[in-house]
Amino acid sequence: GAGVSQTPSNKVTEKGKYVELRCDPISGHTALYWYRQSLGQGPEFLIYFQGTGAADDSGLPNDRFFAVRPEGSVSTLKIQRTERGDSAVYLCASSLTGPGVTDTQYFGPGTRLTVL
Amino acid sequence: QKEVEQNSGPLSVPEGAIASLNCTYSDRGSQSFFWYRQYSGKSPELIMSIYSNGDKEDGRFTAQLNKASQYVSLLIRDSQPSDSATYLCAGSGGSNYKLTFGKGTLLTVNP
Repeated sequence: GAGVSQTPSNKVTEKGKYVELRCDPISGHTALYWYRQSLGQGPEFLIYFQGTGAADDSGLPNDRFFAVRPEGSVSTLKIQRTERGDSAVYLCASSLTGPGVTDTQYFGPGTRLTVL
Repeated sequence: QKEVEQNSGPLSVPEGAIASLNCTYSDRGSQSFFWYRQYSGKSPELIMSIYSNGDKEDGRFTAQLNKASQYVSLLIRDSQPSDSATYLCAGSGGSNYKLTFGKGTLLTVNP
């Protein structure tokens, strides 16, 4: 079956602009996660959705970042007033059930965001 | 702050050798551990998961977990040039969903 998909694959924007990044999880997966990966670092947790609700948004760096998952499937990560420091690869992952010892997250190809 | 530590490498091994990748973690509440492989410019791909103390084998890969020592390792037998990648160790912490990743170890397998 299809894996996690993310669009766009690359996004270049100017400082101060608004961007939206989209994630389409594996069909049937109820849990969805966003991570951010900077060069030379491992991915860092941003937010976790269980169904339509954000169960844990503790990793969002500030209030310029917001994410939604209105129908419990596709999610959009929204970044307002982008800054150069927001440049990174934004990774989406999904898992079948959510919290559980054996629950496994599968990652999408990522969106590389560059803020000029 | 909960941390996962890995040697950044690079680790270089000849083709056919055993590659040994190591990881330590600070959160004693962690129950699940994962090894992801990441090729340059690509997303992390799950290689192994391990939840119980001891060894878990899958083909050429063996994951080892020692909760008392807070240590996770990945052994790759008969290493191939196609194994050359960054290997990321991740723990789920007490949350069982919020993965904390190490910085990754760059492995190079030389033909």
